[in-house]
Amino acid sequence: KAGVTQTPRYLIKTRGQQVTLSCSPISGHRSVSWYQQTPGQGLQFLFEYFSETQRNKGNFPGRFSGRQFSNSRSEMNVSTLELGDSALYLCASSLRGPDMNTEAFFGQGTRLTVV
Amino acid sequence: DAKTTQPTSMDCAEGRAANLPCNHSTISGNEYVYWYRQIHSQGPQYIIHGLKNNETNEMASLIITEDRKSSTLILPHATLRDTAVYYCIVRALNYGGSQGNLIFGKGTKLSVKP
Repeated sequence: KAGVTQTPRYLIKTRGQQVTLSCSPISGHRSVSWYQQTPGQGLQFLFEYFSETQRNKGNFPGRFSGRQFSNSRSEMNVSTLELGDSALYLCASSLRGPDMNTEAFFGQGTRLTVV
Repeated sequence: DAKTTQPTSMDCAEGRAANLPCNHSTISGNEYVYWYRQIHSQGPQYIIHGLKNNETNEMASLIITEDRKSSTLILPHATLRDTAVYYCIVRALNYGGSQGNLIFGKGTKLSVKP
């Protein structure tokens, strides 16, 4: 089956602009999480969505937001971009149900460069 | 903050077993040990997880000490393609709640050498 798909793979934006990243989870997966990876901070959790509702949020400013659609696809948005937002943004999907021992499947990520 | 401690880097000869240790001395009774790895420029990949019993799958084995304060991931016959950063994560399952919040530490950079 198809894996987690993130688009675009690469993106260059200017400071002050905003950006929207997209994630299509594995078919049947209802939970989508977003992570930011930078050389200095490593992998950091941004937020998780399930059934179109944000369930968990990491320690990021309000410029970072997201949403999930009824088909479980998710988008994240970063407004007023800063140079420090340059990072690899990763999306992960999970199957959620009575069996809670399930793993997260990650996409290849979107490499965002802010200039 | 991550609740695990791992060595920064390790080397392993191709074809030999790679044993990656992880300390999680403050682990709670309801927390599982998960292992993921990240090959350069790719998203993390799930390897294995366990609660207190040893686990094995097609990729690796997970050995958890009886007091659950440490564990070892074993790749039985390491290949060059196993070169990656390996992350040990402890995480509680919130029944009925979220599973998505993985707290990654710095991980162990495993280099498999010919």
